Amino acid sequence: QQQVKQSPQSLIVQKGGISIINCAYENTAFDYFPWYQQFPGKGPALLIAIRPDVSEKKEGRFTISFNKSAKQFSLHIMDSQPGDSATYFCAAKLTGGGNKLTFGTGTQLKVEL
Amino acid sequence: DVKVTQSSRYLVKRTGEKVFLECVQDMDHENMFWYRQDPGLGLRLIYFSYDVKMKEKGDIPEGYSVSREKKERFSLILESASTNQTSMYLCASSFLQGVYEQYFGPGTRLTVT
Repeated sequence: QQQVKQSPQSLIVQKGGISIINCAYENTAFDYFPWYQQFPGKGPALLIAIRPDVSEKKEGRFTISFNKSAKQFSLHIMDSQPGDSATYFCAAKLTGGGNKLTFGTGTQLKVEL
Repeated sequence: DVKVTQSSRYLVKRTGEKVFLECVQDMDHENMFWYRQDPGLGLRLIYFSYDVKMKEKGDIPEGYSVSREKKERFSLILESASTNQTSMYLCASSFLQGVYEQYFGPGTRLTVT
């Protein structure tokens, strides 16, 4: 049973454009929502994360938008660059879950020149 | 820098063989995790451990076992490898609580023929 649904599966964006990846969840006991970035041949690495008490978090060109009532959160990459080409995973942690994460299915982003 | 290392980058085994995948972390993390990554399915948790000799099943434990005899080392064991266990295996570690970030190793690409 997939608890975090991620879309799209793949995305092609032109250099300088905005990349948007969406995730939805059902379990209201999730209390931490990170995004991980994975380059080919590497393990995923934490990119940015948000808690449900805020609606937006921005770090450089990366922004998480969080809609608690809709149980949705999204990653926006502004001014997308070829170096952003990677696979992105959203995830969620249960309250008291001992840092165990439930991951989405991943989005393969390609930024073209 | 946190370092999570995995014993092999690529491994080819025959059906029915016993397979050991090893993971070592150098950050004194309490938690360690084993995931498998398959296209379109994202990262799925196989087992995790929050302390030496402690283990808990993840979402897909069937066909796998784990061992944690030392805090820094977490092994994944395939008792009798099957072709449907061909996958990328990722190890991760994190603190038990407080800081939720998981640090991943580079992965082991296992092919079972």
